[in-house]
Amino acid sequence: NAGVTQTPKFQVLKTGQSMTLQCAQDMNHNSMYWYRQDPGMGLRLIYYSASEGTTDKGEVPNGYNVSRLNKREFSLRLESAAPSQTSVYFCASSPLYAPTDTQYFGPGTRLTVL
Amino acid sequence: AQSVTQLGSHVSVSEGALVLLRCNYSSSVPPYLFWYVQYPNQGLQLLLKYTSAATLVKGINGFEAEFKKSETSFHLTKPSAHMSDAAEYFCAVSLPSAGSARQLTFGSGTQLTVLP
Repeated sequence: NAGVTQTPKFQVLKTGQSMTLQCAQDMNHNSMYWYRQDPGMGLRLIYYSASEGTTDKGEVPNGYNVSRLNKREFSLRLESAAPSQTSVYFCASSPLYAPTDTQYFGPGTRLTVL
Repeated sequence: AQSVTQLGSHVSVSEGALVLLRCNYSSSVPPYLFWYVQYPNQGLQLLLKYTSAATLVKGINGFEAEFKKSETSFHLTKPSAHMSDAAEYFCAVSLPSAGSARQLTFGSGTQLTVLP
């Protein structure tokens, strides 16, 4: 099992460019999440998908959109990148949308917006 | 709303010394608590979690944490540090509630350095 995979690992964008971060999990989990990690701020939830066919905003959704393509895949799109979106992005999954669930994280995408 | 405070953004210990990473939480109802570890250039992985069973929780790699309701704390300890423990550690909280409160809220992290 690969667990949670993310592509790309690194990306540099210019302000105003768009891109999509890809995430896939092979654990048959129902719920998937996108976080961003900034120095000294821990992880903050951008969007989540409690189950296939649903998506909801997290703490910091502005400037992002998501698509739950199927049970395995959950993508994050930046329509018009801004320097404030320079961050490390993590995708995670969990068996259910339950508060006791362990979340399983991908290796991250390091994004720089110039 | 729930929140987590991790005291000390950087902690250094000598190899073989006690590791103590502090976590305090704030919540309106009894919480669920987690410790995750992030090794360099990797994603987070679960060390241990408290889900309202035993208050002393044992995790992987010799770590344990004790839920103390009176102190609103969930400190992480390991009796003897190993070089391989060098990483960033995150405390997180969720609540047995509907809606956004059941999501994980992370602390700001503590970077552990182990000195030879």
